[in-house]
This record gives sequence, C-alpha cells and structure tokens, in this order.
Amino acid sequence: ETGVTQSPTHLIKTRGQQVTLRCSSQSGHNTVSWYQQALGQGPQFIFQYYREEENGRGNFPPRFSGLQFPNYSSELNVNALELDDSALYLCASSFWGTGQETQYFGPGTRLLVL
Amino acid sequence: QKEVEQNSGPLSVPEGAIASLNCTYSDRGSQSFFWYRQYSGKSPELIMSIYSNGDKEDGRFTAQLNKASQYVSLLIRDSQPSDSATYLCAVNRFGNQFYFGTGTSLTVIP
Repeated sequence: ETGVTQSPTHLIKTRGQQVTLRCSSQSGHNTVSWYQQALGQGPQFIFQYYREEENGRGNFPPRFSGLQFPNYSSELNVNALELDDSALYLCASSFWGTGQETQYFGPGTRLLVL
Repeated sequence: QKEVEQNSGPLSVPEGAIASLNCTYSDRGSQSFFWYRQYSGKSPELIMSIYSNGDKEDGRFTAQLNKASQYVSLLIRDSQPSDSATYLCAVNRFGNQFYFGTGTSLTVIP
C-alpha cells in the first residue's frame, strides 16, 4: 500500500457529461501527478500539481483540468466527456525537491464513457 | 520515435529462471529511471529506481542502466508465478514528467 487514495473506484458517464476524480497524496508528499492509462497502453502524463499550481502538462486538451488543495490532495476534472476518455485514471504522489523524485500510484479510478 | 520503448511480449519463462526485461529511451537528458509492476486490473507498483550507470540490486531484482546506450533493463532472478504481470519502464526527463513505455507482459510458468 502506498498511502495514496483515489475516489471513486469506478464511474460510468455518458458522452458530453463532466466528471471529477479525487486523489489524496501520501503523507509527506507535496506533489500530485495525474495519468491516463488506456487498455494495453502505458500511463500517459496529463499534468502535475505542486504548491497548488500546475507544474507541467502533457498532450491533453484544456477540457482536462485540475486543482491541488492546501493539504496536497487533488482533483482531476474532465468536461465534455468523449468515448475515448474511457480509461484508468491514475494519481501519483511524490515529494518534489530532492532531485530524485519517485512517484507512487494510487489504486486508480476506472472511467467508462458510454 | 517514442520516448520510451519496450517489447510488448508476451515473455514466458519457467519458474526459477531469470527473466530479462529491456527498455530504451530517446532523450539523453533523462535523469531518473524506474521499473513498475502492474497486475491486471491494478495500478502500477514501484519495484526499482536507478539514477546512475551500472547495476542496482534489490532482492531478486537487478536494474541495469547504460546512459551511453540509452538502455535500461530489469532482471528477475528465481522467477515465481507471482511475478507474472506487466512491467512498465518509466523515465523522468524534467523532474516533473514521467514517460512510460507500453509495458512488457511476463508470464512465469510453474
């Protein structure tokens, strides 16, 4: 167990809807990264949050947005859901500042868009 | 060219054998390298991290890094059926963005 938690575990939405996924980071960590993992693929970096600001973004459209709260927990919001958004969404927490950042994953949220 | 490339497998080895998993990366500026294990339907679990050239051993696992060849490998000695999973190679380029390969599926046959 990494101490990183995510909610909900599973979610079913329809195309066009909006979804919010939540993540609580491991104790002592100050950074949260979000990844999308499609079936049979490796995780794809969506963005990272550090000190409540976006600290890097992958190749995802603006309808993917996020927040980080003072307690380092984070939310991923996806608007105007598309069928291709169906995937496992992973949150990873880490401590930024050592130069050797290691990311630890939560259990993930499996999203199905119909 | 993909940032991180792995053979997708599947790789099958008999129980007790050595499993060898390989990964290449494209950016010479990459700084940190990781191996994660992912069981079907679960999230990735960190096995090893390696930052400098050479070998790093942790129990039955050995990670090898060759920055000149842009190559990372993972050896699993005395493979067990419980090692059957997908192994993901990850590379950290800028300190905040990890790039993952597509993973290699390993099956250990009893």
